[in-house]
Formats: sequence, C-alpha cells, structure tokens
Amino acid sequence: ELKVEQNPLFLSMQEGKNYTIYCNYSTTSDRLYWYRQDPGKSLESLFVLLSNGAVKQEGRLMASLDTKARLSTLHITAAVHDLSATYFCAVGTTSGTYKYIFGTGTRLKVLA
Amino acid sequence: DVKVTQSSRYLVKRTGEKVFLECVQDMDHENMFWYRQDPGLGLRLIYFSYDVKMKEKGDIPEGYSVSREKKERFSLILESASTNQTSMYLCASLPNRGRGNTEAFFGQGTRLTVV
Repeated sequence: ELKVEQNPLFLSMQEGKNYTIYCNYSTTSDRLYWYRQDPGKSLESLFVLLSNGAVKQEGRLMASLDTKARLSTLHITAAVHDLSATYFCAVGTTSGTYKYIFGTGTRLKVLA
Repeated sequence: DVKVTQSSRYLVKRTGEKVFLECVQDMDHENMFWYRQDPGLGLRLIYFSYDVKMKEKGDIPEGYSVSREKKERFSLILESASTNQTSMYLCASLPNRGRGNTEAFFGQGTRLTVV
C-alpha cells in the first residue's frame, strides 16, 4: 500500500533562514509532485519530478528526488513571508490503475 | 487554460440528507479523484476513476459512493450525510501516463458542513 509521509507537519521560521521539508513514500514510484496551498484556496502545482536525481528550482524553492531512498526534499532558501502556506507532496503509483496519494502537508509560517 | 470545476464552494446539509458533489473537467483527462481535506490529516483519497463507469476505492471510501457516467464528470455521493463528513472536498483530474508528464489539476474545493 502506498503511504506518503511528510515532516515536519508545522514549521515556523524567521525570514532569511533556510529549511528543508521531507517527503518519504513507501512503494516504488517514478514521479513525485509538490503543491502549495494558501488558506481557503485550492492546490497550486509547484514541481513535477520524474526521475532519480531530478532537481527543479523556482525562486527560493528547490525540489529534489531520490527514488532509491524514496525521498524527496523541498528546500527553502532565505525564506520570505510570501512563502507562508501549506506544502504537500504527492506520489503516483507506477502500475495498475493510477492512484495519486498525498502527504499530510507541512504548514509553513515565515515570521517577519 | 485547464479547468476543473466543482459545483459548489460552500454547502450546508442536514444529517441524513443525500448529498451530491459534482466535478467537471474540460481537459479530456482519463483519471479523476475525490479527496477530503481535514486539518492535520492532509488530503485523503476517497474514490478515484480511471475511465467512464470505472471506479476504485481510495483509503476512506466508507459512507461515500461515486458515479462517472461521462468522461468529464465525476460525482461524489454521500448517501446519508453525517456530521463526521463535515470537511473540505477537493476534486482533481489527471491524464493517463504517456499523455504528458503533467501534474493533477484541482477544483476550487467544496466546503461541506453537515448539521
């Protein structure tokens, strides 16, 4: 059964600091997704990671994927208040019907 | 511009009522999903469908059913609403693998309150 775990669940950090959110998953998958959700809003896609060693960057966010370790990271560099949101990772199954499972989310609060 | 539309943003229903949540996508995607989102629990998969009239249970299907009579529409049905089904419901769609390396697209969500 595919399970996706994120940590930490909550993260409060000062502006200008760096931090990493971790996403572990339990079974083989060849694609991992990161989403952002603002309060009261739906999910917005950030990154799609499709292969082992994939790294993508957008502004102060960088995501990477290690399929052997079944681990993805979302690294935040020099955080700013606008990055405050909840971040989710999601994993799709590689065989059979396409099940799409989310992690529990990490609620990030960046303090000015 | 891709679009997934859920029929209601906010809904208040009474315990025991039959509730229909509708989701329509205009991207010709094969796969559609219903999730519920609760604080601290993330998004939990209720049901998904990979083709017309095809459905599979997700992780928390109890108390729900679904219908997919047309490719673009995926309905979530609460046969007899209960207060523990008060939640945010999110619909998503996704093309089959091989039709592009795209992520799932989400509707705006339906906040359902059962009183």
